[in-house]
Amino acid sequence: GNSVTQMEGPVTLSEEAFLTINCTYTATGYPSLFWYVQYPGEGLQLLLKATKADDKGSNKGFEATYRKETTSFHLEKGSVQVSDSAVYFCALYPSGGYNKLIFGAGTRLAVHP
Amino acid sequence: DAGVIQSPRHEVTEMGQEVTLRCKPISGHDYLFWYRQTMMRGLELLIYFNNNVPIDDSGMPEDRFSAKMPNASFSTLKIQPSEPRDSAVYFCASSLIQGGRAETQYFGPGTRLLVL
Repeated sequence: GNSVTQMEGPVTLSEEAFLTINCTYTATGYPSLFWYVQYPGEGLQLLLKATKADDKGSNKGFEATYRKETTSFHLEKGSVQVSDSAVYFCALYPSGGYNKLIFGAGTRLAVHP
Repeated sequence: DAGVIQSPRHEVTEMGQEVTLRCKPISGHDYLFWYRQTMMRGLELLIYFNNNVPIDDSGMPEDRFSAKMPNASFSTLKIQPSEPRDSAVYFCASSLIQGGRAETQYFGPGTRLLVL
């Protein structure tokens, strides 16, 4: 079946540190991959996405590369800010046309000044 | 566009009472999803609709939960009777088919429900 596994949080970093949040997936075919972010008290919002192997999604300084050989879509940012503190969800959209997203459990990031 | 609108934003009720959560999706979107988020279980998909028709309700926890979508611009999630374990944040999301796929979901701000 389709599934997404994320590294457990919380991840605690100092401002300007490098961020990596690991995400691996299990799926048949060629799913699309996403990172969503949830700021405190808000709904999830799309951060970035990649629709085919070797694609790199990027937004607000965050990047993730679709690696089919390792079935991964790790989220990275070179220098985090306090305002990046949030919960990050990795998700996949299966290639079978189910038209629903499969979410990971979420990883909480806390950035301190 | 105003985005996905949910009401109420907060709801406090007593066990046994009926609770109705409301959602207005983004105009023109084909799909509507209801999710529940708790610390223990994370984000769970409860049910989703395509063109107002329920497609998959396998995530609805039990018969106390029901959802309807009478038209393209309105959906409700009802809990009757409510129980303390229903306390959670309930999200509505909508998406648009493009190229045969409805990939990107747009979430509302959520309804925070507390059942005493």
